[in-house]
Amino acid sequence: TQLLEQSPQFLSIQEGENLTVYCNSSSVFSSLQWYRQEPGEGPVLLVTVVTGGEVKKLKRLTFQFGDARKDSSLHITAAQPGDTGLYLCAGVPGTYKYIFGTGTRLKVLA
Amino acid sequence: DAGITQSPRHKVTETGTPVTLRCHQTENHRYMYWYRQDPGHGLRLIHYSYGVKDTDKGEVSDGYSVSRSKTEDFLLTLESATSSQTSVYFCANSPRENTEAFFGQGTRLTVV
Repeated sequence: TQLLEQSPQFLSIQEGENLTVYCNSSSVFSSLQWYRQEPGEGPVLLVTVVTGGEVKKLKRLTFQFGDARKDSSLHITAAQPGDTGLYLCAGVPGTYKYIFGTGTRLKVLA
Repeated sequence: DAGITQSPRHKVTETGTPVTLRCHQTENHRYMYWYRQDPGHGLRLIHYSYGVKDTDKGEVSDGYSVSRSKTEDFLLTLESATSSQTSVYFCANSPRENTEAFFGQGTRLTVV
């Protein structure tokens, strides 16, 4: 059973396009994190969302936490080749331990 | 930057041999974690520590043991390496439980 589902699994887009990545669970999260991982490196924390309905912006990246705190989305505006990487969501669903989603692998073509 | 250093960065070992991976933090974070990352499975927790000599199992702990004799060091041991343990291993730390984690650069282990 996958407690944290991410979609899509793979995404290949042209530079300048917009995209949205989703992270879903049937359980409530106390908080949720988004990470980006580049090849050969460990994941790097991008943001933490805590409150239902919360929206956070990091330059061209917009993170939203669902009102019920069971889902989250990451929207990238005008994607650039530097955005290429594996995007991971993570959190504690219900009474489980801290877990990661399987990730969305993004490739932005110049 | 939580200052996680993993060693070695790459290792090839033979089936049946013991292997120890090292993780060193320069911060004084209480929580430390070992994950493995495999295609199609994402990051899976092997073991974690919530203090010196305090450790617990994660979701894929079979065949692995850990030790934490000092706050700054967290060791992962594969007691008898198998080919299924070929993976990339990441160490992470966190100042608080079940929240933001800071990762090392990973150790790529190949068991032949």
